[in-house]
Amino acid sequence: AQTVTQSQPEMSVQEAETVTLSCTYDTSESDYYLFWYKQPPSRQMILVIRQEAYKQQNATENRFSVNFQKAAKSFSLKISDSQLGDAAMYFCAYISNTDKLIFGTGTRLQVFP
Amino acid sequence: GAVVSQHPSRVICKSGTSVKIECRSLDFQATTMFWYRQFPKQSLMLMATSNEGSKATYEQGVEKDKFLINHASLTLSTLTVTSAHPEDSSFYICSARDWSSGQGAGNTIYFGEGSWLTVV
Repeated sequence: AQTVTQSQPEMSVQEAETVTLSCTYDTSESDYYLFWYKQPPSRQMILVIRQEAYKQQNATENRFSVNFQKAAKSFSLKISDSQLGDAAMYFCAYISNTDKLIFGTGTRLQVFP
Repeated sequence: GAVVSQHPSRVICKSGTSVKIECRSLDFQATTMFWYRQFPKQSLMLMATSNEGSKATYEQGVEKDKFLINHASLTLSTLTVTSAHPEDSSFYICSARDWSSGQGAGNTIYFGEGSWLTVV
């Protein structure tokens, strides 16, 4: 069965600095999608970034970028120039064309001024 | 952009009654929707996968008779918590898969706003 693992329950970063959140996954599929979602206290799920497994190039969205290592089944999120508004729970998620969307346990990110 | 609407956002019901939560895709056809439950300070726990026109696929440990899921149209899936009890109080959230751009770059998941259920 597919699994998603986030080994960092909590992380903290100074404002304007860079932080990396880790995610590993396990799958036997070759075609799948990986996501990072942000969940603020409102509980709304906000898509941060998405990576298609067939693409070798790492996805980037402004201050957010990923390091996608398909062979190692690793999908880390880098947040550059951290802002106070980045503080939230971050969830890594996986889905394939024939499967369900599953989440990691989450990482709580704190941003200090 | 595509939007998924979930209603109600908050509901309080008496123990023993049933409550229905709706998940609606507003501008795309969602053949697949997912229902999650989230306990405080925990991740989203997948309850079931809802496929339009067929029975939902429930995750292990989720009571099918208690959490009834219906996906009668391409834009609407409902979760009914039957004979609710205080332990069913939780945050429930749905998501819908947009296949409209094909299996490649257009494959996107959208989330509803979530529903807080309190059973008293």
